[in-house]
Amino acid sequence: NAGVTQTPKFRILKIGQSMTLQCTQDMNHNYMYWYRQDPGMGLKLIYYSVGAGITDKGEVPNGYNVSRSTTEDFPLRLELAAPSQTSVYFCASISTLTTGNTIYFGEGSWLTVV
Amino acid sequence: DAKTTQPPSMDCAEGRAANLPCNHSTISGNEYVYWYRQIHSQGPQYIIHGLKNNETNEMASLIITEDRKSSTLILPHATLRDTAVYYCIVRVASGGGADGLTFGKGTHLIIQP
Repeated sequence: NAGVTQTPKFRILKIGQSMTLQCTQDMNHNYMYWYRQDPGMGLKLIYYSVGAGITDKGEVPNGYNVSRSTTEDFPLRLELAAPSQTSVYFCASISTLTTGNTIYFGEGSWLTVV
Repeated sequence: DAKTTQPPSMDCAEGRAANLPCNHSTISGNEYVYWYRQIHSQGPQYIIHGLKNNETNEMASLIITEDRKSSTLILPHATLRDTAVYYCIVRVASGGGADGLTFGKGTHLIIQP
């Protein structure tokens, strides 16, 4: 298993541009999450999904959109990028269908908006 | 809001045991205690989790008090590579609510040579 894979690892965007951060997991996990982490801070939840076709907002959803058309993929869309969206983005997944399960994180996507 | 309280930072000498405390006084009966660590902006890495019994794996030991209101993560022989931010998290392990993990600021553990 490759685990949770995020692309791209690094990206520089200009203000007002749009882009999609890709996230794929090959563990058949039902839950998937997007977090952002600003320098020196903890992770904040942007959006999550409990299964294909179902998404919901987390703590900081403004300026982002997600979709979950398949179990494996959970892309995060940034519309009209703003400097406040400069951050490191982490995708994560978990299966809630077994007890004592753990969350797996991707390696992160570094985004700079200038 | 995070359901846990951790000291912001701790130091430990290399080769000694690192004991990281966590308070989770409002933990529910079906919530597990999870520990993750994050090394220099890499993705958080799972360490260990437990419900009420003490747990041990190849990385660490987890000691949970009898009333489950606090726990301690123990790294038995800390190395410089254990320098990281350690997060203590409580959550329902299966089914249940659709909430994500709530990460506080964690404990920045610094291993001194």
